[in-house]
Order: sequence, then structure tokens, then C-alpha cells
Amino acid sequence: QQQVKQSPQSLIVQKGGISIINCAYENTAFDYFPWYQQFPGKGPALLIAIRPDVSEKKEGRFTISFNKSAKQFSLHIMDSQPGDSATYFCAASNLGGGGNKLTFGTGTQLKVEL
Amino acid sequence: KAGVTQTPRYLIKTRGQQVTLSCSPISGHRSVSWYQQTPGQGLQFLFEYFSETQRNKGNFPGRFSGRQFSNSRSEMNVSTLELGDSALYLCASSLARNEQFFGPGTRLTVL
Repeated sequence: QQQVKQSPQSLIVQKGGISIINCAYENTAFDYFPWYQQFPGKGPALLIAIRPDVSEKKEGRFTISFNKSAKQFSLHIMDSQPGDSATYFCAASNLGGGGNKLTFGTGTQLKVEL
Repeated sequence: KAGVTQTPRYLIKTRGQQVTLSCSPISGHRSVSWYQQTPGQGLQFLFEYFSETQRNKGNFPGRFSGRQFSNSRSEMNVSTLELGDSALYLCASSLARNEQFFGPGTRLTVL
């Protein structure tokens, strides 16, 4: 049972544009929502994460927007650069329930064109 | 601080064999989680160990097992390998219940 749905599957953005990736979850027990970036041949790297007590978190060019009532969260990449071309995964876990089990979305392949 | 290290990086096995993968977490991290990544199923949680005890387990058959040592290093074992076990196996470490940092993975190919 897929508990985190991610869209779009792929995304092409022009350099300097905004990349937006969306995720929706089902399990209301989730209380931690990270985003990971993965380059070919590498493991996922933690980009930014949010807890449900805030609606937005910004770190540099990366912003997470969180809508608890809609059970949705999204990643915005401002001023997208060719170096941002990678696969992005949203994830969720229930830290309060014990443990670090991450449930991942299916991933979004981002390509930033010059 | 050194990151998560995984050995070996690449492995080729044949059906029916067994394999052991190793993970060394970031110094001071006590939680180690294992994930399987495949093109078809994406990233799936296998299990998590904390202070040498399995704290969480995913929906994988009993052929997949793991353990953690007193120095927090972890191993996972897959017995009676099947073609469908071909995947990138990722290890992630964290201090307790928080951010997880992934290693580069072990690419397992089953022939």
C-alpha cells in the first residue's frame, strides 16, 4: 500500500525557474517529512525536512510548504540550476511512534535546462 | 566527520547463494536502517537497528535479516538469493529518532 504519493514523475525546468514537486500522504500518524536528492550512482542526500507544527520551512533556495489539513507537502526549488538536475524523493515517518522507518514517494526526475 | 560507509560497493552473486552487506554509521550514531532501491518498487524500508536491537521491520521475507554490533556497525544478510533481489541496498544512520543520512549503497546483481 503506497502511503506517500509523489508527482510529477518527471519535470523539466528552465535555468532560473521554479521547480515544484508535490507529495500527499495518507497516514495521519506521520510527524516528520524530509526531502532527499539523489544523483546517479549515489545514495540519497537529505535536503530539508519539516515537522507538522509549521507550515513552511526555507533553507537557501529550497522551501517546503506543508498543509496538514490537506495531508500534502511540496518542495519548491527557487532559481533552479543545471546542478539541481537529479531525482528528488519525498518521505514521511512516524518518529513519535518509535523508530526511523521512512516511507518514500516514487521520486521525481528533475532536469534543469540552460 | 566521515559519512556512512558501505562495503562492498558492488557484488555479483548467483541464484541460491547468500550475501552479507556491511554498513558503518556516522560516528556517534546509534540507529542504522536498511533500504532496498529498485526501479520498479522504489525505496523500501527493510529494517532498523538501534543499540543492537531491531526496532522496526518492513514487509520483506525472512530471507532478509540483519544485526547490529556494539560499535553500531550493522550487517544485513540475504539468503537463498532470487533474481528479484537485484537492487541497490542503502544503509542510513541517525543519532536516535531524527535525520537519516544515507551511504552510497551496495549494488547487488543476482544472476
